[in-house]
Amino acid sequence: DSGVTQTPKHLITATGQRVTLRCSPRSGDLSVYWYQQSLDQGLQFLIHYYNGEERAKGNILERFSAQQFPDLHSELNLSSLELGDSALYFCASSVVSGGAYNEQFFGPGTRLTVL
Amino acid sequence: GDSVTQMEGPVTLSEEAFLTINCTYTATGYPSLFWYVQYPGEGLQLLLKATKADDKGSNKGFEATYRKETTSFHLEKGSVQVSDSAVYFCALYGSGNTGKLIFGQGTTLQVKP
Repeated sequence: DSGVTQTPKHLITATGQRVTLRCSPRSGDLSVYWYQQSLDQGLQFLIHYYNGEERAKGNILERFSAQQFPDLHSELNLSSLELGDSALYFCASSVVSGGAYNEQFFGPGTRLTVL
Repeated sequence: GDSVTQMEGPVTLSEEAFLTINCTYTATGYPSLFWYVQYPGEGLQLLLKATKADDKGSNKGFEATYRKETTSFHLEKGSVQVSDSAVYFCALYGSGNTGKLIFGQGTTLQVKP
């Protein structure tokens, strides 16, 4: 158990809908990262927040947004869902932001299925 | 840009066989390198890491050496077990100190008794 929790574990929804994925980092970790794992794209970095502020963006679609709240939990919002958004979404956390020794701890993931 | 290339799987081995999973990278400077493992139905776990050239990361019988001259970080284990069956990902920290991990495509290992 990494200490990172993600809810829900599974999510099934229809095209055009909007969903929210939630992540609680390990106690004491200030950084939260979101990754998408799909069969065709592999594991891709989406976005990074540090202590409530956005630090880096990756291949995140405009239909997707994220935020980190004062209690440090994070939410990833996916809207106008398409079939291709079906994937496993991972959250990871770390103590600091960046740095050679900065280990990221991954949650169990949320499996999103868009029908 | 930065990238990681892993050998394609699946890799199928008998128990107690020697394992090598190749990983090479392209990056600016000297990134930290990682191997993550994903067991069926679970998230990623850090297996080992190396932060500078010639460092050897090791954990649970797995080893990998950071080779700057060949830009490689190959994963090895002397004697695999059925319980090692999983997907293995090589990764590096992207340049720019963003904290972004760049992953290889993953290599599936299946160990048969």
